[in-house]
Amino acid sequence: AQSVTQLDSHVSVSEGTPVLLRCNYSSSYSPSLFWYVQHPNKGLQLLLKYTSAATLVKGINGFEAEFKKSETSFHLTKPSAHMSDAAEYFCVVSPTNDYKLSFGAGTTVTVRA
Amino acid sequence: NAGVTQTPKFRVLKTGQSMTLLCAQDMNHEYMYWYRQDPGMGLRLIHYSVGEGTTAKGEVPDGYNVSRLKKQNFLLGLESAAPSQTSVYFCASSQLAGETQYFGPGTRLLVL
Repeated sequence: AQSVTQLDSHVSVSEGTPVLLRCNYSSSYSPSLFWYVQHPNKGLQLLLKYTSAATLVKGINGFEAEFKKSETSFHLTKPSAHMSDAAEYFCVVSPTNDYKLSFGAGTTVTVRA
Repeated sequence: NAGVTQTPKFRVLKTGQSMTLLCAQDMNHEYMYWYRQDPGMGLRLIHYSVGEGTTAKGEVPDGYNVSRLKKQNFLLGLESAAPSQTSVYFCASSQLAGETQYFGPGTRLLVL
């Protein structure tokens, strides 16, 4: 069994300040972990993916996430938020080599000018 | 290379009506999926397919049927729409299980 908990339903940051989106997971198997972003009225776009290689994963648009097995966490960060980062972010877990994705409930990010 | 496309983008149905949502992918992917997205619940898998001619139930299959007659297309049908099926529907595809899933832009469905 696997599940994902996104610890914040909404995060508000000022432009140019760091962004932290928190994600904890549980999985019976060695997991693959993903972050997807969804801009308003758009589909989901892959930001980054962890598959048991380096624990620090770099993604697109300056995002990165760190896999911490001892804490069962996969938090997403960005050093400096941009207005275009305003979107909903989903943390997703999957058993390695399995089709089944389990989605978190999502975190909505707003960026203040 | 359009990726994953969905038709229609938006639809309003009356309770009891039927409709079919079309998903098409041009990446020659084996796996295709239908999800629904509801507020505060992330995405939930309705049905999926591991190849042409195959389909299987996901997490929330009741009230939906699917078909995959061609590798590039995956159809989602609602035989008798209910207000509980008001949602945003996303199609996705991947080459293999466990590989990145690529999502379409979504279909917004309102059932009155």
